[in-house]
Order: sequence, then C-alpha cells, then structure tokens
Amino acid sequence: DSGVTQTPKHLITATGQRVTLRCSPRSGDLSVYWYQQSLDQGLQFLIQYYNGEERAKGNILERFSAQQFPDLHSELNLSSLELGDSALYFCASSVGAGGTVNEQFFGPGTRLTVL
Amino acid sequence: GENVEQHPSTLSVQEGDSAVIKCTYSDSASNYFPWYKQELGKRPQLIIDIRSNVGEKKDQRIAVTLNKTAKHFSLHITETQPEDSAVYFCAAPGANNLFFGTGTRLTVIP
Repeated sequence: DSGVTQTPKHLITATGQRVTLRCSPRSGDLSVYWYQQSLDQGLQFLIQYYNGEERAKGNILERFSAQQFPDLHSELNLSSLELGDSALYFCASSVGAGGTVNEQFFGPGTRLTVL
Repeated sequence: GENVEQHPSTLSVQEGDSAVIKCTYSDSASNYFPWYKQELGKRPQLIIDIRSNVGEKKDQRIAVTLNKTAKHFSLHITETQPEDSAVYFCAAPGANNLFFGTGTRLTVIP
C-alpha cells in the first residue's frame, strides 16, 4: 500500500457525461500528479499540483480539469466524455514539487469505462 | 521537455536467465532515474532508482547502470523468476514531473 488513495476504483458511464475522480496523497506529500494509461499504453502525464497550485501541465485535454484543495486532496474532472477516454487514471504524490529526487508514489488507479 | 525512449517494448526470457531493458534521455541536466514495475491491473511501483552521482546501483537481483555521457541507463534483472513478469517503466525528471518511457513487457517463461 503506497498510502495514496483513489476513489472510485471503477466507473462506468456514457458518452457525453461528466465524472470526477478523487485522490488523497500520502501524508506529508504536497505534490499530486495525474496520469492516464490507456489499454497496453504507457503513462501519459496529465497535470501536476503542488500545495494547491498548478505546477505543470502535460497532455491534458481541454475537456479535462483538475484542482487541489487546501487539505491537499485532488480531483480530476472529465467532461463531455468520449469512448477514447476509457482508461486507467492514476494519481501519484511526492514530497516536493520537482521531478528531481522526488519519488512518486502511485495510487491504485480508477478504471473509467465510457460506453 | 525531457524525451525518454525505452527498448525493447517486449521481452521474453527463460526462467533463470537475465533480462536487460534500456532507456535513453535527452536532457543532460537530468539527475534522477527511477524504474517502476507494473503488474497487470495494478499500480506502478518503484523498484529501484539511481542518481547521477553514481554509475551503478544494485539491490539483490536488480541493478541499474547509468552512463551520463551517452545519456542512457539500463535495468538488469538476473536469475529471473515468473513473478518478475510485468511491465517495466523507466523515467527521467523534467522541471516538475517525471517523463516515463513507453514500457517494456517482460515475460518470464517457466
């Protein structure tokens, strides 16, 4: 158990809908990262928050947004869902803000299925 | 940003043999190189990492080597076992996040 929690574990929804994925980082970690992993694909970095502020953006679609709250948990909002959004969404956390010397701990993931 | 390339994409070895996975990176300032293992349907887990001030690091059957001049690093697994079967990802740091390689699916044949 990495100490990072994600809810829900599974989510099934229809095209055009909107969903919210939630992540709680490890105690003491200030950074939260979101990744998308499609079937048999690598880890696509979406976005990073550090202590409540957006720090880095990757290949995140405009239909997707995220935020980090004062208690440091984070939510990833996916709207106008398409079939191609079906994937595993991972959250990871780290102590610091940067990629250097900061091990990222991954949560168990949320499997999103768009029908 | 950082560009990480990983090879091979798939690798099959007989149990007991060694496996080697290689990655290259583009940013010469990068100084932290982790390797993650992801079993089917599970989260990626860090198995070993290396910082740029050393050229090799070993942990039991797993070792990582780093060549900063050539900008490549490798994962070596010796005496492979069926439970080593998984997807392995290398990564290198950007300013604020890690850039992951595309993954190597390792299959250890009993």
